[in-house]
Amino acid sequence: RKEVEQDPGPFNVPEGATVAFNCTYSNSASQSFFWYRQDCRKEPKLLMSVYSSGNEDGRFTAQLNRASQYISLLIRDSKLSDSATYLCVVNMRGYSSASKIIFGSGTRLSIRP
Amino acid sequence: DGGITQSPKYLFRKEGQNVTLSCEQNLNHDAMYWYRQDPGQGLRLIYYSQIVNDFQKGDIAEGYSVSREKKESFPLTVTSAQKNPTAFYLCASSYGGGEETQYFGPGTRLLVL
Repeated sequence: RKEVEQDPGPFNVPEGATVAFNCTYSNSASQSFFWYRQDCRKEPKLLMSVYSSGNEDGRFTAQLNRASQYISLLIRDSKLSDSATYLCVVNMRGYSSASKIIFGSGTRLSIRP
Repeated sequence: DGGITQSPKYLFRKEGQNVTLSCEQNLNHDAMYWYRQDPGQGLRLIYYSQIVNDFQKGDIAEGYSVSREKKESFPLTVTSAQKNPTAFYLCASSYGGGEETQYFGPGTRLLVL
């Protein structure tokens, strides 16, 4: 089982739709969680951190479910410019207390006019 | 402007040749990282450094080498021992010490001739 798993997609949705992605992680000791966005042939850029109580940034909402070991990203009123690959990132702290950052393979989102 | 830069943007390697990818940051970050990304796949960690003059192997270090003589710089050498070097190479940095939000450079595409 992969340490961080995402549905690769692609998700193809019309402009204005609401779309949600999930990401599951295997290590219950994971400490912190992030969503990154990566455009085609570009570097990943931080979209938002994910807090235990859930957090919102404009049209984007991130949730964490520690009991079920998944995080989610909800995009409301999707725009054409939201088309990208969304990477789930988990900071796993090992027994030695050293951090290990794991990137998911990404979920591709395509917004159509 | 603060940021993280990589050069060159594209690099061509001949068989049996060592090549070095540059990564520089002026964010005053202690930690720096090198990742490799293959088409349709997630990021895989090659090497990381938490502090000057110290670095650790990541998941796929074979065929690569690094140095960290200055805080700002973390060059990656792809040696002739790396048999499948064609990929997108991404450098990242973070404050370290538990603050693991990573910021990425624009990447270098390495192609084998």
